[in-house]
Amino acid sequence: EADIYQTPRYLVIGTGKKITLECSQTMGHDKMYWYQQDPGMELHLIHYSYGVNSTEKGDLSSESTVSRIRTEHFPLTLESARPSHTSQYLCASSEIQFSSGANVLTFGAGSRLTVL
Amino acid sequence: AQKVTQAQTEISVVEKEDVTLDCVYETRDTTYYLFWYKQPPSGELVFLIRRNSFDEQNEISGRYSWNFQKSTSSFNFTITASQVVDSAVYFCALSELNTDKLIFGTGTRLQVFP
Repeated sequence: EADIYQTPRYLVIGTGKKITLECSQTMGHDKMYWYQQDPGMELHLIHYSYGVNSTEKGDLSSESTVSRIRTEHFPLTLESARPSHTSQYLCASSEIQFSSGANVLTFGAGSRLTVL
Repeated sequence: AQKVTQAQTEISVVEKEDVTLDCVYETRDTTYYLFWYKQPPSGELVFLIRRNSFDEQNEISGRYSWNFQKSTSSFNFTITASQVVDSAVYFCALSELNTDKLIFGTGTRLQVFP
């Protein structure tokens, strides 16, 4: 039973289209993250949020944007998709642990985006 | 700078064999956390274990065991008597105190054949 949901699971679109990848969690977690996973399997943090109205860019530069208007919802948007955006996008969340850095992340099943 | 190295890109074994997945990390911090996650074909990463830098005891959970050695900056993962259901990509990850960001290794794809 998933506690973090991502839609769509698979998306094939043409260049120039605007897309939004949805991510919702039912655990009441404050922290949420977006990771990009390239075909070589490597995971890169592209966005994270500590709570409502808080968003930060991750270690890998991304043309995508995110918003956090509600605790449970953390959508990712690409205004104009390009083939270089083809990747798997994984959303995750965590609760605030007793000490920062110890967070166990709960991941969604991912959204696989293909831009033609 | 933080770094996690998983030198084994892919490992293939036959069912019931034991297999060890290597993980070597780099950090300048004295307090940090190490993790292992499993990514089955369904796509989501599943948490397996978290270990803090002050706890070097090895851990065993069923067929899974972890060997943490600070002297060699390694956190290796062993599956005993592997099963086909163990086939997945396994990621080792590092998080330093007060950063809240996981740095992942490049993953090791394990294929267990019947």
